[in-house]
Amino acid sequence: ELKVEQNPLFLSMQEGKNYTIYCNYSTTSDRLYWYRQDPGKSLESLFVLLSNGAVKQEGRLMASLDTKARLSTLHITAAVHDLSATYFCAVDQTGANNLFFGTGTRLTVIP
Amino acid sequence: DAGVIQSPRHEVTEMGQEVTLRCKPISGHDYLFWYRQTMMRGLELLIYFNNNVPIDDSGMPEDRFSAKMPNASFSTLKIQPSEPRDSAVYFCASSFLLASYQFFGPGTRLTVL
Repeated sequence: ELKVEQNPLFLSMQEGKNYTIYCNYSTTSDRLYWYRQDPGKSLESLFVLLSNGAVKQEGRLMASLDTKARLSTLHITAAVHDLSATYFCAVDQTGANNLFFGTGTRLTVIP
Repeated sequence: DAGVIQSPRHEVTEMGQEVTLRCKPISGHDYLFWYRQTMMRGLELLIYFNNNVPIDDSGMPEDRFSAKMPNASFSTLKIQPSEPRDSAVYFCASSFLLASYQFFGPGTRLTVL
């Protein structure tokens, strides 16, 4: 079974700082997704990365994918309080019909 | 489009009772997914449908769980009989393609006493 690991699990950072969340997965994958979840809310799709070297950016968030290293990163630039949420990566295993979610990274941005 | 619609939003029931959760996917989406989220186990895919046909139900925990999709605009997840360990938030999601974004519904928070 494909395993998806995120780190850190918890991240507390000051406004204005930069940080990166990492997502490692154990087998080959066709697609990698990033989602955001606010407390008590549903999941919101952020990015889908489809190929090696793919990079997508939206506002202060930038996601990248290295399929050879089986690694995706979510980089936060100049964090603001509104980015406080739990971020999940999810991986679609090649040849399988399932989506495996990471444990999530709970981000708290401190003023 | 209103997005994925789930009902009820909250359900409190007693152990042994039957629980039915409902989902209306986004119109035109061919894929529908049911997930369960708990603190202990995180997000788990329970089952998904393609064009109303169940494709993978390997995530369904036990025979007490069943899911149906009688038409393209409606799906149910039923738990019978319910147990306290079924308490969780159940999400329904839909997507146009298997490889595209999944749009999640607001979830149903189930509490089994």
